[in-house]
Amino acid sequence: DSGVTQTPKHLITATGQRVTLRCSPRSGDLSVYWYQQSLDQGLQFLIQYYNGEERAKGNILERFSAQQFPDLHSELNLSSLELGDSALYFCASSPQTGELFFGEGSRLTVL
Amino acid sequence: AQKVTQAQTEISVVEKEDVTLDCVYETRDTTYYLFWYKQPPSGELVFLIRRNSFDEQNEISGRYSWNFQKSTSSFNFTITASQVVDSAVYFCALTPFETSGSRLTFGEGTQLTVNP
Repeated sequence: DSGVTQTPKHLITATGQRVTLRCSPRSGDLSVYWYQQSLDQGLQFLIQYYNGEERAKGNILERFSAQQFPDLHSELNLSSLELGDSALYFCASSPQTGELFFGEGSRLTVL
Repeated sequence: AQKVTQAQTEISVVEKEDVTLDCVYETRDTTYYLFWYKQPPSGELVFLIRRNSFDEQNEISGRYSWNFQKSTSSFNFTITASQVVDSAVYFCALTPFETSGSRLTFGEGTQLTVNP
């Protein structure tokens, strides 16, 4: 158990819909990262937050957004969903030493 | 730009065999971190090791060992006396040193199957 909690574990929705994925980092970790794992793109970095502020952006679509709240949990919002958004979405957190600890992922299926 | 290549898409071995997973990387950064992660069938990503580019000393942890060679830009992972529980997808990853080991660039992964 990495200590990073993600909900929901599985989500099935239709094209055009919007979903929110939630992540609680390990106790004491200020940084939260979101990654997407899909069959065609592999594991890709989406976005990083540090103590409530956006720190870095990767290959995140404009239809996607994220935020980190004062209690350090984070949410990834995916809107206008397309079939190609079906993927496993990972949240990770890291201590100051930098190792990334990943949650179990949220598997999104868009039908 | 950074790139990580894991040329072996799938490897199948019989239990107790030794197996080496290859990882070759490209980066313009002079300092960086390299990682290995394991993704078992249940789907989570399990951290195995982080190595910084300053330290080329090989590392051993139980049945796992890592061989880092900066001259060939490789960071290979060997499992000795493999077990069925080692069956998983293994990812090699890279990040610039200034990101403190985060914002990883992952390879495509190697699916390891250990048969009884």
